[in-house]
Amino acid sequence: GENVEQHPSTLSVQEGDSAVIKCTYSDSASNYFPWYKQELGKGPQLIIDIRSNVGEKKDQRIAVTLNKTAKHFSLHITETQPEDSAVYFCAASIKAAGNKLTFGGGTRVLVKP
Amino acid sequence: KAGVTQTPRYLIKTRGQQVTLSCSPISGHRSVSWYQQTPGQGLQFLFEYFSETQRNKGNFPGRFSGRQFSNSRSEMNVSTLELGDSALYLCASSLDGGTSGWPDTQYFGPGTRLTVL
Repeated sequence: GENVEQHPSTLSVQEGDSAVIKCTYSDSASNYFPWYKQELGKGPQLIIDIRSNVGEKKDQRIAVTLNKTAKHFSLHITETQPEDSAVYFCAASIKAAGNKLTFGGGTRVLVKP
Repeated sequence: KAGVTQTPRYLIKTRGQQVTLSCSPISGHRSVSWYQQTPGQGLQFLFEYFSETQRNKGNFPGRFSGRQFSNSRSEMNVSTLELGDSALYLCASSLDGGTSGWPDTQYFGPGTRLTVL
């Protein structure tokens, strides 16, 4: 089955700097890659997603890039703010598997003021 | 539009008991998926229901079961609870179950925190 690896597991950045989280997936048939942000005591919140027919997607300070050949995708957060501190999860999904998401292990991001 | 709601938010049970968790999806959403989140195993897929039918199942023992009702609300049941079942159980809903040819965007509820003593 699909396997998703996420790095780094923890990331500390200074407010205003950029943060980058990388994920690799194993199944070349995966075609949908969402990113979720989870704050303490809450469920994961979708922040951005990308389909396999697109190489890059941007939404304000957040961007995701996808390299299908290398089977990896990355989350980029620019101009980080203290409220960006949370755990971020990448995931991959295959249409044939319905809506099943396979998640990476998570990255704990700390933005220091 | 109201988000995904899960009840109860917190539960404490003892080993051997059974538990039922409930999930109400976003209005109009027809697919409901369940995930288990633990510090050791992370987020793991349990099962997905679409139009009252289980469409996909993860790698969990038969003690974990679920169902979906005609109004798309879903319940999951865990029988003969074990200490290792302590986790945050998350429900996610999506609009049409991915019939467009792409997997659907899934929206998560706040979860039910289950503690097994």
